[in-house]
This record gives sequence, structure tokens and C-alpha cells, in this order.
Amino acid sequence: RKEVEQDPGPFNVPEGATVAFNCTYSNSASQSFFWYRQDCRKEPKLLMSVYSSGNEDGRFTAQLNRASQYISLLIRDSKLSDSATYLCVVNLHNFNKFYFGSGTKLNVKP
Amino acid sequence: NAGVTQTPKFQVLKTGQSMTLQCAQDMNHNSMYWYRQDPGMGLRLIYYSASEGTTDKGEVPNGYNVSRLNKREFSLRLESAAPSQTSVYFCASSEAYDGLAVSTDTQYFGPGTRLTVL
Repeated sequence: RKEVEQDPGPFNVPEGATVAFNCTYSNSASQSFFWYRQDCRKEPKLLMSVYSSGNEDGRFTAQLNRASQYISLLIRDSKLSDSATYLCVVNLHNFNKFYFGSGTKLNVKP
Repeated sequence: NAGVTQTPKFQVLKTGQSMTLQCAQDMNHNSMYWYRQDPGMGLRLIYYSASEGTTDKGEVPNGYNVSRLNKREFSLRLESAAPSQTSVYFCASSEAYDGLAVSTDTQYFGPGTRLTVL
């Protein structure tokens, strides 16, 4: 069983739409959670960390549900530039072990 | 400030050849990592180095060796390349260091090396 599971998509949405991605993780000992963004043929870059209380950064909102072992990412008012693959990342108590989901692809259409 | 740099950007090898992928970071980070990314598989950790002088295996270490040359540099070696090692290889670094779990630690990635083994 994979440590981190994501719906691969693609999610095809029009500009201005709201879109949500979920990610589940298998190890209840997981301590840190992140969303990374990866553009085509580029390296992953941190989008945001995910805190227990949930957090927001502009149009992006991340939530953590420890009881159900999932994290979510909500993007409001989608822009063409949001088109990318979004990677869910989980870190266990050993801070050097980061587990990546296979990514969810988002296409924002004009 | 270049961040994380990797060389080469592209490489084609024949089965059985060897090569070393180079990685360097200028952020004074303690931890460095090597990942491979295959279609539909996400990034998988090959090896990591929590600090200068230490290295540990990740999820998929077979067929690879690493060397943490100094705090800045972390190389990945394929001794006898196989077609199954065709992949995109990313090096990353983070501030985290032994004894302290930095819950918001960020990994910074290099641009990647696209390796094809024929």
C-alpha cells in the first residue's frame, strides 16, 4: 500500500472555478504535511505547509483531518497559471523521510 | 544564490555503463536527498544525508551509491546502469538537522537530470 494516495486527475476546470484535491496517507504517525506544485518538466516547489488548524494563503486553503488521515487543497478563482501537477507530501516522525503522492494534474481552461 | 544545482541535465547511457550525478547547494543546508521520479509513481527517495559525513538508504536504494563530499555536495553514482534506472533524478536539500524535527521544514529541489539507459 502506498504511503500517500492522490487522485491523478486530470481536473479540467474553467478560469474562475473553485477546485479541491484530496490526499490520503496511511501512517498515523505522520507529523508534517505539505503541498508542492510541479510544472511540466520542472522541479517540485513548495506551495504551502499544512497545519492542524488549517491554513490559507491567498486563493489557496489547506486542511488536515488527522482522524480520517487526509489532507485537502482548495483553490478558489482558478487562474490559467494554476495549471500544474499538485503533489501531496507527508513526513513521518523521522524528519528525513518525506513521502510524495503521485500528483494530481490540474488544467485550467480559458 | 543559485539554490540547488545538478549536473548533467540530460544523459544517455548504455546498459552496464557507470556514471555520477552531481548535486550542490549554496544555502548552507544540513540535509540533502536524492529522488527519482517515474510516470505515475511520484517521487521516491533513493538516499539521503542528514548531515555531512552521514548517509542513509531511502525507499529504493538498490543499484545506487551516494557520497556526501562536504556540506555543499551530495553525489549519486550508478555503478552498472540498467534500463529500469531510466528516470528523472532530483536532488533536494533542507535545513533540517539531526536531533531536531523541523515540522515546517521545506525541501528545495534542483532542476533534475533526465537519464535514459538503453
